[in-house]
Amino acid sequence: DAGVTQSPTHLIKTRGQHVTLRCSPISGHKSVSWYQQVLGQGPQFIFQYYEKEERGRGNFPDRFSARQFPNYSSELNVNALLLGDSALYLCASSLNSGSNYSPLHFGNGTRLTVT
Amino acid sequence: AQSVTQLGSHVSVSEGALVLLRCNYSSSVPPYLFWYVQYPNQGLQLLLKYTSAATLVKGINGFEAEFKKSETSFHLTKPSAHMSDAAEYFCAVRDTGGSYIPTFGRGTSLIVHP
Repeated sequence: DAGVTQSPTHLIKTRGQHVTLRCSPISGHKSVSWYQQVLGQGPQFIFQYYEKEERGRGNFPDRFSARQFPNYSSELNVNALLLGDSALYLCASSLNSGSNYSPLHFGNGTRLTVT
Repeated sequence: AQSVTQLGSHVSVSEGALVLLRCNYSSSVPPYLFWYVQYPNQGLQLLLKYTSAATLVKGINGFEAEFKKSETSFHLTKPSAHMSDAAEYFCAVRDTGGSYIPTFGRGTSLIVHP
């Protein structure tokens, strides 16, 4: 079975541009989470979606947005890119969310470089 | 809010030596605790988890961790390091109720010398 897939793997953008990152969860997983990992730090939570609804939002500006589609895939959008947005963006899927524990399965990430 | 502190951004060991990666947590309720490993240019892979069952948890690749409530610690160990263990290791915590979202530590880079 395929794991979590993310596209593109690498991306170079200029300040002020916008970017869309895509994620396909493991088949059967209904929850998708997005994380930003700056070099030398741990992943920082951005969003969680479950059954197409936002279930959680981290401390990120409104330039960051996301959505989940009926097939449970997800997009992360970032507008007005800043140099500080350069990072590895990780997507993770799980069976469910909330009090029923299910482990996160991570994709290999999208490396975004803003110049 | 829950948090984790990983002591030491880099740990260097010789092949065959004991691996000890330290993690202390701060949580208002008994937490779930996790260790993840990240190899270069890859995502995170779950090594092991503590979910309030046995305090000594065994994971993949010969790693294990012990939950010590009195010390608020969840240190990761492996008796004998292999070259293939060289990677970034992250400790994470989440509350057993309320927010589902895990909080990750800053990571510890494990360096294994021949």
